[in-house]
Amino acid sequence: DTAVSQTPKYLVTQMGNDKSIKCEQNLGHDTMYWYKQDSKKFLKIMFSYNNKELIINETVPNRFSPKSPDKAHLNLHINSLELGDSAVYFCASSQVGTSGPYQETQYFGPGTRLLVL
Amino acid sequence: EDQVTQSPEALRLQEGESSSLNCSYTVSGLRGLFWYRQDPGKGPEFLFTLYSAGEEKEKERLKATLTKKESFLHITAPKPEDSATYLCAVSSGTYKYIFGTGTRLKVLA
Repeated sequence: DTAVSQTPKYLVTQMGNDKSIKCEQNLGHDTMYWYKQDSKKFLKIMFSYNNKELIINETVPNRFSPKSPDKAHLNLHINSLELGDSAVYFCASSQVGTSGPYQETQYFGPGTRLLVL
Repeated sequence: EDQVTQSPEALRLQEGESSSLNCSYTVSGLRGLFWYRQDPGKGPEFLFTLYSAGEEKEKERLKATLTKKESFLHITAPKPEDSATYLCAVSSGTYKYIFGTGTRLKVLA
């Protein structure tokens, strides 16, 4: 069974278009994340959601809008796509413990490769 | 500012040639240090979590250690299937990971 899944795996689109990426986790975790991996393979956090509530927004342009309909899903909608948005986007999830040891290990999905032409 | 630096950027080893990867970090209040393996075209795969200085964890040919300033991922007698990018990340507060840029490991048969 896939723990963290993303769709689509590949996304090729024109500049200016609007697109969405979906993420689902079946691990029962309460926190989900979106990361962006650039061409140099550097992973940078974009958003964190805990129990459907936005916790972290790392100065991401407001063209990016995450939506969490429930704890198992975190979707990413991108408006007016730009060339610089081309990257691999990873969804991840974790169970944030309230007592030690901290159970914050994050589990990643397979990634969505976005190419903006 | 929290920071993670991995070295070397790339490493080529002969099969059976043991070595270590380094992850140096500067973080206010370390909650955990995490090692991941990433194969081309795939998502990071979790390997280890370390919480406190002196802690060690092992899995097959891999052993991760942690001090107050850095972590090492030791690879003993590596095989070609160990070839991948190894990523280090730290958590300094709930909900946030900071990743290093990774070490690309190539093990030659």
